[in-house]
Order: sequence, then structure tokens, then C-alpha cells
Amino acid sequence: GAVVSQHPSRVICKSGTSVKIECRSLDFQATTMFWYRQFPKQSLMLMATSNEGSKATYEQGVEKDKFLINHASLTLSTLTVTSAHPEDSSFYICSASKGSNSYEQYFGPGTRLTVT
Amino acid sequence: GENVEQHPSTLSVQEGDSAVIKCTYSDSASNYFPWYKQELGKGPQLIIDIRSNVGEKKDQRIAVTLNKTAKHFSLHITETQPEDSAVYFCAALYSSASKIIFGSGTRLSIRP
Repeated sequence: GAVVSQHPSRVICKSGTSVKIECRSLDFQATTMFWYRQFPKQSLMLMATSNEGSKATYEQGVEKDKFLINHASLTLSTLTVTSAHPEDSSFYICSASKGSNSYEQYFGPGTRLTVT
Repeated sequence: GENVEQHPSTLSVQEGDSAVIKCTYSDSASNYFPWYKQELGKGPQLIIDIRSNVGEKKDQRIAVTLNKTAKHFSLHITETQPEDSAVYFCAALYSSASKIIFGSGTRLSIRP
């Protein structure tokens, strides 16, 4: 199998606070993990790509100081939204890939972030 | 950069009929084309994928075709059922950047 989990599934936070979202590959080692953002009724927008033990590669327009990504192990990546604002409210989805020769990405169930 | 266009944006078919979703891509070096199904409030689920060395792949009621010359690929769902209702995304691997680019999605509704 290739199961990816995310925690929490939903989170509500106040403006100015930080929120951490975890992404775990449960039954495989993920060399690469990806973080996406999805607005209602829209497609997935890639935010960043992270490889275990290295700094994440951010897509153009994504603030790396606002969206901190850590990929400390082959089964865990975290996304921290710092100093959250209402416009950061969105559905955040991670995915994981098994290795450099594997194209498939397995997606987590997503995290709904609401900033009040 | 890589661009993936997907049509139609919405599709309604009678239960039991077939549904076809079409996509085009711009990067001629792309060699991997997955299709995802996303239900409301959930993450995308890989339902089928195709690599550039084949022109067609089938898995029960789902099939995907690829035309590399024309740079387009299609998803075919036969004998549609109510549980097929969801948003479907095509995608293509942007080979030079090793990242997957998604189409804009198709909301498929199956009429009983």
C-alpha cells in the first residue's frame, strides 16, 4: 500500500498565531514530499517540494518565511503557517513519492485551515 | 513552463452511460500522466496513470488513452455509477522540474 496521513484534518486559529500541519507516509519511505494548496472549486497549486534532509524548494510566489517546511525523516514532513491571516485559510494537501525513480504521488486527506 | 488544460469543467451523464474527459499538455518531454479523483473534503486519489511508452491503459471501467504526437490524453469511464460523481483531475509530469502539474479539474455528476 501507499498511505499518507495528515494531522490535523481541521484547524481553526486566530490571526497572528502559527499552525503546524503534519504529513506522514505510513507504510513507505518518502524520499520526496510535496505541499499543495487548494482554494474552493479550484485545482491544486504546488507550494513546495521537500526532500528528506534538505531545504525545501518553493514555487514562485510562495513565501518561504511564511510557510516553513521541514522534512526531517523519510516518513514525516511538516508545514508551519506562521503569523496566519484570514487569507491563509485554505485546504492544504501533502503528497509523498517513494523515490527518484517513482513518479507516483500519494496524497494525504488534506487539512482545512480556517484563520479567524 | 508546463501547462495542462482540461475539458470540460463540468460534465453530467446518465447513470450507465460513458464519460470522457480530455486534457492537453505543453511539455513534449512529459512522460507520466496520472488521473486523480477527488471527493468533497478529501485529498485526491490516484485512479489510473499512463506512461509515454504506451498508448492506452485500462483498469475495469476506467481507461486512459495517450496521443504523444498531439500531446493530449483522455480519461474514459464506462457504465458510470453514482459513486463516480466527483472532481477528476488530469496531470502531467513536468520532467525538467520533476513536479506534477494539474489540470483545472472536471466536476462529474452522474444522474440517476
